[in-house]
Amino acid sequence: DAGITQSPRHKVTETGTPVTLRCHQTENHRYMYWYRQDPGHGLRLIHYSYGVKDTDKGEVSDGYSVSRSKTEDFLLTLESATSSQTSVYFCAISETEGGYTFGSGTRLTVV
Amino acid sequence: DAKTTQPNSMESNEEEPVHLPCNHSTISGTDYIHWYRQLPSQGPEYVIHGLTSNVNNRMASLAIAEDRKSSTLILHRATLRDAAVYYCILTTYNQGGKLIFGQGTELSVKP
Repeated sequence: DAGITQSPRHKVTETGTPVTLRCHQTENHRYMYWYRQDPGHGLRLIHYSYGVKDTDKGEVSDGYSVSRSKTEDFLLTLESATSSQTSVYFCAISETEGGYTFGSGTRLTVV
Repeated sequence: DAKTTQPNSMESNEEEPVHLPCNHSTISGTDYIHWYRQLPSQGPEYVIHGLTSNVNNRMASLAIAEDRKSSTLILHRATLRDAAVYYCILTTYNQGGKLIFGQGTELSVKP
């Protein structure tokens, strides 16, 4: 979707290295979310943000941290990547009482 | 978070209407009913959402039961491109508006 972009689209990294995924929006929406999707588990919420510097944990937050210093950017950091974090990561945005828009995803492989 | 129950899979024929059911007997007064779909190898896509009244948009219609304990997503004329996993999700915006995904209904469309 034109209003939300994720970068990088694909990444291969080694176990133990830090990784940061970026979600950028041009819609000025208040809420931003990070999900991961794995076969057999569906989409699971990692962290979310309800404003600049306001973030909270989701269902599967262990091993992940987030930051939101500007309305338009929501960063997801894997401090020390593990093979269990190999997944497809989706960012989403929403505004109060509106629908949610998802990004195209980042495919992360930890080797 | 209130839960939803959907059939695991459904089949339809091309160019016929499709009715996808969702039960949410523990819905609260502030829960919005959202529908998303996910095509293979893509991120989730917003379909429709509503609170109490039936809703129509260019993609689908949402019929909400009077007691709000169930809803139905209606695709008026299925096409092969509608084959996807459809998720019915409840969310309350004043709790951060988190979307918690279940397993959804896998819709297949036969030519």
